[in-house]
Amino acid sequence: SYVLTQPPSVSVAPGKTARITCGGNNIGSKSVHWYQQKPGQAPVLVIYYDSDRPSGIPERFSGSNSGNTATLTISRVEAGDEADYYCQVWDSSSDQGVFGGGTKLTVL
Amino acid sequence: EVQLVESGGGLVKPGGSLRLSCAASGFTFSNAWMSWVRQAPGKGLEWVGRIKSKTDGGTTDYAAPVKGRFTISRDDSKNTLYLQMNSLKTEDTAVYYCTTVGSGSYSFFDYWGQGTLVTVSS
Repeated sequence: SYVLTQPPSVSVAPGKTARITCGGNNIGSKSVHWYQQKPGQAPVLVIYYDSDRPSGIPERFSGSNSGNTATLTISRVEAGDEADYYCQVWDSSSDQGVFGGGTKLTVL
Repeated sequence: EVQLVESGGGLVKPGGSLRLSCAASGFTFSNAWMSWVRQAPGKGLEWVGRIKSKTDGGTTDYAAPVKGRFTISRDDSKNTLYLQMNSLKTEDTAVYYCTTVGSGSYSFFDYWGQGTLVTVSS
């Protein structure tokens, strides 16, 4: 089955840029989606199809995907961005949804 | 406004059964593909399964750990999604989320319910 690998944690100072990676074999050939989950809340879709933003998601959130790594970039990080972030793809070879293990973003 | 409200969670003994429901509103449920995603306490997200719209065949797909034990169904007349869970194991303990599946490639989960907790314990 397809495996997505994320760093367990990323720390960033307020106002700086956070980059959260998601590794997978030739992930650049797949569509990657990202979710934000704050403590005690349901996940929220923040990026879909590698780099599209749902309505209501700030432009500070962006995504890219190439080769074996997809990246979620959060610019001008705010305290309210502190959350767990998950990448996700659809593995069409097995018709299964696949999530990365999640990355805890800490705003220093 | 899209709303998904799960119910039916609770405490069940290993080997037991439970049926979760998800009441949907704010969109045309009959046209939507739907999915269940779970999250064990303190752990990450795990996809459980999905069901296509009846127009697209109404078929289901499941994650390996639940295949043969869990069944997803839908009642479009009631705008409700179901997850029948049988032969439950302690490792099925999790918050279960109902989600819509984004149209187009049907590969992402765009709206989520608040979740319902299932605890499997003796």
